[in-house]
Amino acid sequence: AQSVAQPEDQVNVAEGNPLTVKCTYSVSGNPYLFWYVQYPNRGLQFLLKYITGDNLVKGSYGFEAEFNKSQTSFHLKKPSALVSDSALYICAVRGWSGNTPLVFGKGTRLSVIA
Amino acid sequence: GAVVSQHPSRVICKSGTSVKIECRSLDFQATTMFWYRQFPKQSLMLMATSNEGSKATYEQGVEKDKFLINHASLTLSTLTVTSAHPEDSSFYICSATPGTGVPNEKLFFGSGTQLSVL
Repeated sequence: AQSVAQPEDQVNVAEGNPLTVKCTYSVSGNPYLFWYVQYPNRGLQFLLKYITGDNLVKGSYGFEAEFNKSQTSFHLKKPSALVSDSALYICAVRGWSGNTPLVFGKGTRLSVIA
Repeated sequence: GAVVSQHPSRVICKSGTSVKIECRSLDFQATTMFWYRQFPKQSLMLMATSNEGSKATYEQGVEKDKFLINHASLTLSTLTVTSAHPEDSSFYICSATPGTGVPNEKLFFGSGTQLSVL
């Protein structure tokens, strides 16, 4: 069965500092991995995805994520956090086979402090 | 990017009433739509998958007679919570995919519906 773990409910970081939001996954075979962001009173928005190719994936708003197959991780990173990055970040995974839906993590709330 | 419109965004109803939630893909044809539910401090949990013109596929533990899903067109899916009870209070969110290219690579979400049953 597919699963996603986001070990931190909350991450606090000072503005201008680098940020990391952790995600580990379990899936049969190769994974499709996604990060979504949810700002207050708005729907989930796609940030970035890993399908195949380079392990370092660059996405919207300066975010990037690194796929690590041996550690089954897909941590989200940004070199310099902004206050406007404060939101809920959700990691998701699905396997390659068929039209299967995504399995989501619980989400990590990021607070960037000025 | 593609837009999925979901409404209402919030609904409060009395126990025993039925509530309909609509999910529309505004600028693409959604061959498949998914309905999720999220309880506080928990992850989004898939309730059902609906393909246009066919019956929805429900996940284990989801009552199909209670959560009626209709996907009559390529741009509209509805979720009706029948005879709602307080335990059905939750955040419901839909997502839609055009179904082209890599399966589910393109997945777009509605903004969700917060259902409160009194």
